[in-house]
Amino acid sequence: AAGVIQSPRHLIKEKRETATLKCYPIPRHDTVYWYQQGPGQDPQFLISFYEKMQSDKGSIPDRFSAQQFSDYHSELNMSSLELGDSALYFCASSSGLAGEEQYFGPGTRLTVT
Amino acid sequence: AQKITQTQPGMFVQEKEAVTLDCTYDTSDQSYGLFWYKQPSSGEMIFLIYQGSYDEQNATEGRYSLNFQKARKSANLVISASQLGDSAMYFCAMREKPGTASKLTFGTGTRLQVTL
Repeated sequence: AAGVIQSPRHLIKEKRETATLKCYPIPRHDTVYWYQQGPGQDPQFLISFYEKMQSDKGSIPDRFSAQQFSDYHSELNMSSLELGDSALYFCASSSGLAGEEQYFGPGTRLTVT
Repeated sequence: AQKITQTQPGMFVQEKEAVTLDCTYDTSDQSYGLFWYKQPSSGEMIFLIYQGSYDEQNATEGRYSLNFQKARKSANLVISASQLGDSAMYFCAMREKPGTASKLTFGTGTRLQVTL
């Protein structure tokens, strides 16, 4: 079965650079969520989209922005990167607002040096 | 206050034995969802099982079952017949605000080690 696809899987950036993470949800899933997991931490919610509209917002820094496109894929744009942004970034998808099963992608491991 | 509490930072279980991972939650919503995820050392988050607050029966998925006690606000994961491949971090999570693409709030996780 098709799963959530995230690219790239690994990314190394320097401080103050920008990064773009991409997420392709499971086919026919219209809802996308972004989470950030720091080392040894539990995942923290950043932002979600339903039918290309922002639905919920968590502790996402102003330096980050995200959107969902017409084909339902989503991109997380991160600017002015800081060392503390080093983390595993997950995208999850679900079908509809019920979200009874949120499936996570493999994650993008971002390292900021 | 913590919305999701997992009081066991680490657990050991022998192969083929059953193990229960504890999870308690705090919400004022009447409608909510509870999830369990497995995170192996490779890092991916694997969906295991879901329980809706209005589901009268405990959820089961293969060797995984969820012991849902609504009055006690607990949603413990039971893994039967443990296998070496079950060694991983396990997260309990809750979704509130039904009808919106609302976030999952995670507990701090329990690291399970299955031994021979």
